[in-house]
Amino acid sequence: DTAVSQTPKYLVTQMGNDKSIKCEQNLGHDTMYWYKQDSKKFLKIMFSYNNKELIINETVPNRFSPKSPDKAHLNLHINSLELGDSAVYFCASSRGTPPEQYFGPGTRLTVT
Amino acid sequence: AQSVTQPDIHITVSEGASLELRCNYSYGATPYLFWYVQSPGQGLQLLLKYFSGDTLVQGIKGFEAEFKRSQSSFNLRKPSVHWSDAAEYFCAVGAQDSNYQLIWGAGTKLIIKP
Repeated sequence: DTAVSQTPKYLVTQMGNDKSIKCEQNLGHDTMYWYKQDSKKFLKIMFSYNNKELIINETVPNRFSPKSPDKAHLNLHINSLELGDSAVYFCASSRGTPPEQYFGPGTRLTVT
Repeated sequence: AQSVTQPDIHITVSEGASLELRCNYSYGATPYLFWYVQSPGQGLQLLLKYFSGDTLVQGIKGFEAEFKRSQSSFNLRKPSVHWSDAAEYFCAVGAQDSNYQLIWGAGTKLIIKP
């Protein structure tokens, strides 16, 4: 009965590679998010999608591209990975306003 | 500029003692306020929220928080902490005029002494 799930949980890769992180929610929510949490635990919104449409697109490198094939999924693709991309990436979803966000377990990305 | 401040990076409390975690915000509009908890290696779990109405809100795990508009604060409290409360706690604020995008505090790490 997992609400928001992410795969993989851990991702170790080399600089320059391309990788994807997948997110799925089974809560019936219409808004999904990607956050980046750095080594100091600071949370930063990256993207938000509502009904498959991009509504928040913070200043992130264009190497990061979100893709929402349907309301239940929001994937994050990262091109040409850099050392500074190492972080924990969280997916979240919400419904209604004001939105209560429900978070996935996170994906720890390590770029070597 | 909108901001959320959690003044305490770390707080150490003895098991069974009371707890208060501080959160102050700077926001022009009527805020919506949240507290989340992140256990080690886990995602964030919503503890409680304030949207309107009674300024003292109850949450899960025995937590409560009080919204004080005059002090721009939304402090989290628990009367008696348990070792399992050791975690990172985040305050977040959103508003309708910013599309409810949450502004997050830097977090407070709660350490429980046996």
